[in-house]
Amino acid sequence: QKEVEQDPGPLSVPEGAIVSLNCTYSNSAFQYFMWYRQYSRKGPELLMYTYSSGNKEDGRFTAQVDKSSKYISLFIRDSQPSDSATYLCAMSASGGYQKVTFGTGTKLQVIP
Amino acid sequence: DTAVSQTPKYLVTQMGNDKSIKCEQNLGHDTMYWYKQDSKKFLKIMFSYNNKELIINETVPNRFSPKSPDKAHLNLHINSLELGDSAVYFCASGHSGSETQYFGPGTRLLVL
Repeated sequence: QKEVEQDPGPLSVPEGAIVSLNCTYSNSAFQYFMWYRQYSRKGPELLMYTYSSGNKEDGRFTAQVDKSSKYISLFIRDSQPSDSATYLCAMSASGGYQKVTFGTGTKLQVIP
Repeated sequence: DTAVSQTPKYLVTQMGNDKSIKCEQNLGHDTMYWYKQDSKKFLKIMFSYNNKELIINETVPNRFSPKSPDKAHLNLHINSLELGDSAVYFCASGHSGSETQYFGPGTRLLVL
């Protein structure tokens, strides 16, 4: 069993839909949770960062962490064609330069 | 203005050859990373350097040897290339006190 599980998709939604992307994990030591967005043939870029449990909102994006269930989510409201990309969850046990473990990514396509 | 740059962007080579990939960051970060992303988009850390010192060394064949001449550079040398080394290799950098990592554009390696 991988430490971080993520549905690879692809997930196809119409423009304007609410998108829900999820990851589960097994390592209870994880405290730092990130979402990266990766466009085709580009490097990942950090989208959201959350420490411990709770919600964080940034524009159309909301990240949720439920440590009791070992489950994290990224919600995208009013999805746009420009949101079409692969979304990677990532997490680490402690701050700084400790190892970050990535999910396999979910490919999202937003259809105009 | 490129934050994290990698050269070359593409590398096509024969089995058994030795090749190097170079990475440079101009963000003033003290930590740099090498990741391998396979065809299924799984991003796995290989090495991490903090202030030129190796701090993360995952289970990677010793054919792979990283070198950090200074804080702004991290190179990856691969000896005796194998078919299974074909992947996209990403360099990333960050501050030692932060989980945020900034990725380069990737080097697409194809071993024939």
